[in-house]
Amino acid sequence: DAGVIQSPRHEVTEMGQEVTLRCKPISGHNSLFWYRQTMMRGLELLIYFNNNVPIDDSGMPEDRFSAKMPNASFSTLKIQPSEPRDSAVYFCASSNIEGEKLFFGSGTQLSVL
Amino acid sequence: LAKTTQPISMDSYEGQEVNITCSHNNIATNDYITWYQQFPSQGPRFIIQGYKTKVTNEVASLFIPADRKSSTLSLPRVSLSDTAVYYCLVANDYKLSFGAGTTVTVRA
Repeated sequence: DAGVIQSPRHEVTEMGQEVTLRCKPISGHNSLFWYRQTMMRGLELLIYFNNNVPIDDSGMPEDRFSAKMPNASFSTLKIQPSEPRDSAVYFCASSNIEGEKLFFGSGTQLSVL
Repeated sequence: LAKTTQPISMDSYEGQEVNITCSHNNIATNDYITWYQQFPSQGPRFIIQGYKTKVTNEVASLFIPADRKSSTLSLPRVSLSDTAVYYCLVANDYKLSFGAGTTVTVRA
């Protein structure tokens, strides 16, 4: 298995633009997570999906952030409009049993100018 | 969520054993203890998980005393490539709190 695949690897955009981050979880995993990592706040859980259904989105910072999981093999995290303070590394992770080990992707380095 | 406390940083030399102790005084009965490793520009990677006593795999050992209020990750004979951030997590569900972790620097 190729592991969790995220794209793009790097994204540079201007303030106000829409940003879409993509994630393909490991086949067979039914849990998917989006995390954000910054120097100031460390790794923060943004949203958790189980069987394609959002279970906990309490970590989503504000309405500018939205996430979808239309099927078991694909998820998106969208920021609209983006702001400089959204600059961070965004990680997607998946697991096959809740509470069991997470498999992380390589992340998307987002820079909003 | 059970709060964890671990050292901010540790230095070591190649070939030495590195032990990182994590405190989790308010761990719940059904919580598991999990350690992750993160290299620069990569996502965290699962190292080891345990509930009590000792767990060992090909990468590390995890020692958990009877009261489970702390745990120690042991990395045997470290190499330069073990330089990374190590996170101690305590949870029984998806709500993992990564904290600041311990930055381990291995020198030649």
